[in-house]
Amino acid sequence: DTVLTQSPALAVSLGQRVTISCRTNKSVSTYMHWYQQKSGQQPKLLIYSASNLESGVPSRFSGSGSGTDFTLTIDPVEADDIANYYCQQSNEVPLTFGSGTKLEIK
Amino acid sequence: QVQLKESGPGLVQPSQTLSLTCTVSGFSLTSYNVHWVRQPPGKGLEWMGVIWSGENTYYNSALKPRLSISRDTSKSQVFLTMNSLQTEDTGIYYCNRRGTEAFDYWGQGVMVAVSS
Repeated sequence: DTVLTQSPALAVSLGQRVTISCRTNKSVSTYMHWYQQKSGQQPKLLIYSASNLESGVPSRFSGSGSGTDFTLTIDPVEADDIANYYCQQSNEVPLTFGSGTKLEIK
Repeated sequence: QVQLKESGPGLVQPSQTLSLTCTVSGFSLTSYNVHWVRQPPGKGLEWMGVIWSGENTYYNSALKPRLSISRDTSKSQVFLTMNSLQTEDTGIYYCNRRGTEAFDYWGQGVMVAVSS
């Protein structure tokens, strides 16, 4: 199975730029997607295929990477961005998720 | 508009069978794959399995012996059945739709507690 590794938590000041990383143990090409999950809600798709912004998602979210290293960038961070962020690969089954990164405000 | 909604019992006794229904609208089950994902309390997301538009299924190997996914296209419903439930199966169960590459629509989720 493809294992996705994320940092557990990040703290950032409002208005600043934050990058959330996701590393895989084997190449997934650009079959990497990012989701935001706020407390008590279902996950929401932000970025698909590594760098494509999902319709309706603010342009301050962006994604990059290929192969085994991926990043989700939020610039600038707003208070509404407090959430858990998950990466997910669809290069092979079983589909797998990272363990999530909790974004906190300093 | 596209919607998915999970339904099922909130409480299941250990060793019993869980049956969940995902009712969809705004798209056809013969055109899109529907997946099930679960989330234990306070933990991350676990992919469980998929029923493809062609009706084939694929399961997470860790759950395969206990899991079955089926559908009724006439009712726009997808079904999840999992037997021999244990306390570690407690969590929120989501159905979602895979769009071009990613899960573009999710249901609100249904909480399932496994307890006697």
